[in-house]
Amino acid sequence: DQQVKQNSPSLSVQEGRISILNCDYTNSMFDYFLWYKKYPAEGPTFLISISSIKDKNEDGRFTVFLNKSAKHLSLHIVPSQPGDSAVYFCAASYYGNKLVFGAGTILRVKS
Amino acid sequence: DAGITQSPRHKVTETGTPVTLRCHQTENHRYMYWYRQDPGHGLRLIHYSYGVKDTDKGEVSDGYSVSRSKTEDFLLTLESATSSQTSVYFCAISDRGRETQYFGPGTRLLVL
Repeated sequence: DQQVKQNSPSLSVQEGRISILNCDYTNSMFDYFLWYKKYPAEGPTFLISISSIKDKNEDGRFTVFLNKSAKHLSLHIVPSQPGDSAVYFCAASYYGNKLVFGAGTILRVKS
Repeated sequence: DAGITQSPRHKVTETGTPVTLRCHQTENHRYMYWYRQDPGHGLRLIHYSYGVKDTDKGEVSDGYSVSRSKTEDFLLTLESATSSQTSVYFCAISDRGRETQYFGPGTRLLVL
């Protein structure tokens, strides 16, 4: 039973446009959400996070939106750059420190 | 970048042999984690540690054991490797349990 789902295995976007990556979760106890980016042959790197007391968090080109009622979060990348091409994982946790990851979405930004 | 190293980075072994993977950190973080990454599954937690000699099971702990005798090292042992344990293994650390986890570069393991 996957508690965190990334339903789009891949996404292709033109350079300069917006990339929107989506994530759904089923456990209403989750209260902290993160996005990681992963390049081939490297470990995941932290990108941005959001607490459940917020509905939006921004960091430069990256914005994460949280809709608690829909149990949905999304990552917006504006503008998208070729260097953003990677696998993106969303993750969620609740008190107790374990992270639960989605299966990942491969983002390809075309120049 | 967080100071996390994993060794070996690549390993090929045969079914039935024991394998130990090492994670070493220089950040003095309390929490350490072992994950495996497989296509279609993302990252799944194998075991984690919340202090020296304090460990607990994760989602996919069967066939794996861990040990942490000092803050900086967290070992993952495959007691008798099977082909289903072919995977990429990542170590992660965090300072406090609810904070962001930082990942090592990974170990690619092939069990023949």
